[in-house]
Amino acid sequence: KQEVTQIPAALSVPEGENLVLNCSFTDSAIYNLQWFRQDPGKGLTSLLLIQSSQREQTSGRLNASLDKSSGRSTLYIAASQPGDSATYLCAVTSGGSYIPTFGRGTSLIVHP
Amino acid sequence: EAQVTQNPRYLITVTGKKLTVTCSQNMNHEYMSWYRQDPGLGLRQIYYSMNVEVTDKGDVPEGYKVSRKEKRNFPLILESPSPNQTSLYFCASSTRDTPGEQYFGPGTRLTVT
Repeated sequence: KQEVTQIPAALSVPEGENLVLNCSFTDSAIYNLQWFRQDPGKGLTSLLLIQSSQREQTSGRLNASLDKSSGRSTLYIAASQPGDSATYLCAVTSGGSYIPTFGRGTSLIVHP
Repeated sequence: EAQVTQNPRYLITVTGKKLTVTCSQNMNHEYMSWYRQDPGLGLRQIYYSMNVEVTDKGDVPEGYKVSRKEKRNFPLILESPSPNQTSLYFCASSTRDTPGEQYFGPGTRLTVT
């Protein structure tokens, strides 16, 4: 069974820092990996989707990479802003199941 | 506008009183799922459906029922709610072509007293 781990569980940084969020998974036979943002008490907003054949995806200040062989993905946030404060979730869809497994998220606070 | 809708958004009820949370998507997606989210436990899947009349248990199905009579709708039924079902519930959908690319509803916050 796929297991997804996100490290760190919480992160507090000053505005302007570049930061990296980590997601690791146990079964490398994945279909794709998706990063989400969730504001407190709100729904999930999709940030980036990486197919298993891709190495990375970029959207604005966000860059997500995927290394299937090592079972890892990173979400890089450049020049962080207070508006980036949220919980970031990683979801891995394994080949054959088509149902994502979620990590527990990284809670990010960017202070001015 | 492509979206997943859930109703109600907030619900306070009492133990044992049957309730239904509706979920509807307008994107003609084959796959639909229900999740619950609890502090410290993350998102856990309750049930999922690969297509009409096809449903299967997720990780935490006890105390819940679902049905998929139409492609667009996937209601979550709590026949006899208990306080341990107090949680934030999310419905999600995706296509067969890109099954891992899920679209989430806004969530339903349920409190069972």
